[in-house]
Amino acid sequence: DAGVTQSPTHLIKTRGQQVTLRCSPISGHKSVSWYQQVLGQGPQFIFQYYEKEERGRGNFPDRFSARQFPNYSSELNVNALLLGDSALYLCASSLRRWSYNEQFFGPGTRLTVL
Amino acid sequence: GIQVEQSPPDLILQEGANSTLRCNFSDSVNNLQWFHQNPWGQLINLFYIPSGTKQNGRLSATTVATERYSLLYISSSQTTDSGVYFCAVGDFQGAQKLVFGQGTRLTINP
Repeated sequence: DAGVTQSPTHLIKTRGQQVTLRCSPISGHKSVSWYQQVLGQGPQFIFQYYEKEERGRGNFPDRFSARQFPNYSSELNVNALLLGDSALYLCASSLRRWSYNEQFFGPGTRLTVL
Repeated sequence: GIQVEQSPPDLILQEGANSTLRCNFSDSVNNLQWFHQNPWGQLINLFYIPSGTKQNGRLSATTVATERYSLLYISSSQTTDSGVYFCAVGDFQGAQKLVFGQGTRLTINP
């Protein structure tokens, strides 16, 4: 079975641009969460989506938004990019929405903002 | 919110040595996972262990939920064990999310 997939692998943008990152969860998983990992730190929670609705949001500005589609795949959008948005963006999928469910991560999208 | 601390931050060992990584957390949790982050950034699931002890080959983990800590043991280390190890706990208050520690960077020298 395929694991969590993410695209693109790498992305280079300039300040002020907008970016869209994509994630497909493990087949049968209905929850998708997004995390940001800056260099030298652990991943930080951005969003959780379950059954196409936002179920949780971390401490990130409104420039960050996301959505989940009927097939449970998800997109993360970041507007008005800042240099500080440069990071590895990780998508995680789990069977259900609750934090006690084991989460599985994709390979990540490495975003560089110049 | 819940706090997660990992120690040591860095660990350098020779191939064949054993190691113990520690994860302390500040509140009750309903999930605890150990991950190995490979050089390309992917988080590889090692253990899902909210309580008790599990073993998988040369790796084993123990979580003592009542005392709010977990340990990851690596025996007979190999150079391929190098990388960053993260502990993450489930925070069931508010958003259903994993809260990560800062990681332990393990370097195994041949």
